[in-house]
Amino acid sequence: DTAVSQTPKYLVTQMGNDKSIKCEQNLGHDTMYWYKQDSKKFLKIMFSYNNKELIINETVPNRFSPKSPDKAHLNLHINSLELGDSAVYFCASSQAGGRGDTEAFFGQGTRLTVV
Amino acid sequence: QQQVKQSPQSLIVQKGGISIINCAYENTAFDYFPWYQQFPGKGPALLIAIRPDVSEKKEGRFTISFNKSAKQFSLHIMDSQPGDSATYFCAARGGNKLTFGTGTQLKVEL
Repeated sequence: DTAVSQTPKYLVTQMGNDKSIKCEQNLGHDTMYWYKQDSKKFLKIMFSYNNKELIINETVPNRFSPKSPDKAHLNLHINSLELGDSAVYFCASSQAGGRGDTEAFFGQGTRLTVV
Repeated sequence: QQQVKQSPQSLIVQKGGISIINCAYENTAFDYFPWYQQFPGKGPALLIAIRPDVSEKKEGRFTISFNKSAKQFSLHIMDSQPGDSATYFCAARGGNKLTFGTGTQLKVEL
């Protein structure tokens, strides 16, 4: 009965490869996010989609491309992986675009290790 | 540019003691200030949150104190327990975006 689920939980891949992380939420929220947590645990927003429309696109290399086929899914595709991409990536969702007192629910994270 | 500054980076408290984590922000457009708790291997989970028109909010052992004029807010954990050992993040929302502090690793010792 997971609210926000990400797959895979762990991903180990070689430099230069292309990989995808999938996210699904069953909360009926209309806004989804990708966050990156680095080795120092700093959480930084990467992208946000509201009803399949991109509304936040932080300064992220264009090797990262989010895709939202519907408002319950937000996938993250990464091309030409680099060592510095190693991090934990969190998907999150919220209602009403995050305005007001709406909580953001996070998935369990995907630990990406690039070797 | 770090818009939400959090301190301390780490904190060790004895069981039963009070844990205090502080945050300061710069953007006066922020309108919602949540605190998240993260256990190892898990995603952050909302602990407690406050809006800037309120100076204090208490939920059980957790209290947020908010000082709008100073642009500061803090989390107090009363009667800290070993199960509270986790990383705590303050955050601030502006528009659709949640900006996080740098996190505080709390360890509660027996």
